[in-house]
Amino acid sequence: KQEVTQIPAALSVPEGENLVLNCSFTDSAIYNLQWFRQDPGKGLTSLLLIQSSQREQTSGRLNASLDKSSGRSTLYIAASQPGDSATYLCAVSDTGKLIFGQGTTLQVKP
Amino acid sequence: DGGITQSPKYLFRKEGQNVTLSCEQNLNHDAMYWYRQDPGQGLRLIYYSQIVNDFQKGDIAEGYSVSREKKESFPLTVTSAQKNPTAFYLCASTGTGGAKEIGRPYEQYFGPGTRLTVT
Repeated sequence: KQEVTQIPAALSVPEGENLVLNCSFTDSAIYNLQWFRQDPGKGLTSLLLIQSSQREQTSGRLNASLDKSSGRSTLYIAASQPGDSATYLCAVSDTGKLIFGQGTTLQVKP
Repeated sequence: DGGITQSPKYLFRKEGQNVTLSCEQNLNHDAMYWYRQDPGQGLRLIYYSQIVNDFQKGDIAEGYSVSREKKESFPLTVTSAQKNPTAFYLCASTGTGGAKEIGRPYEQYFGPGTRLTVT
């Protein structure tokens, strides 16, 4: 059974720092991996989708990498801003269904 | 401008009552999903539907029911059999790259959620 783990559960950094969020999964047979952002009390906003054949995707200050063989993905956030404060969730796709990690709650202090 | 709407945003019910949560999408996506989120936890899949008039149980389907009579609608009923119904419920949809779909293929899009409180 696929399991997704995100470490750390919470992270606090000063504004301007570059940071990395980690996601690991137990079964490398995935279709794709998706990173989401969730603000308190809100739905999820998709940030990046990496297909299983891809190694990375970039969008603005965000870069996500995927290493299927080791069961790992990282989300790199450059030059963090207070507006980046949110919970970040990764999810792997298994025949159309998504299996989620528990998320990393990020606080960026001004 | 396409999206997913869920209503209402907040819902309060007495124990023992069934309640139906609405989910509508105008993205022309075939697949739709219902998730439950509890405080400090990730999302857990309740039911999903990959095409009209068909749906499958997810990991925590007990005490819930769904229907998919129209492509754009996927309502979730929380029945009195659900032991711990108080939670945040999220609906999502995914397309596969069809001609009239909105959004990137295989990317899952979410609604704003409904917070259900049962007392």
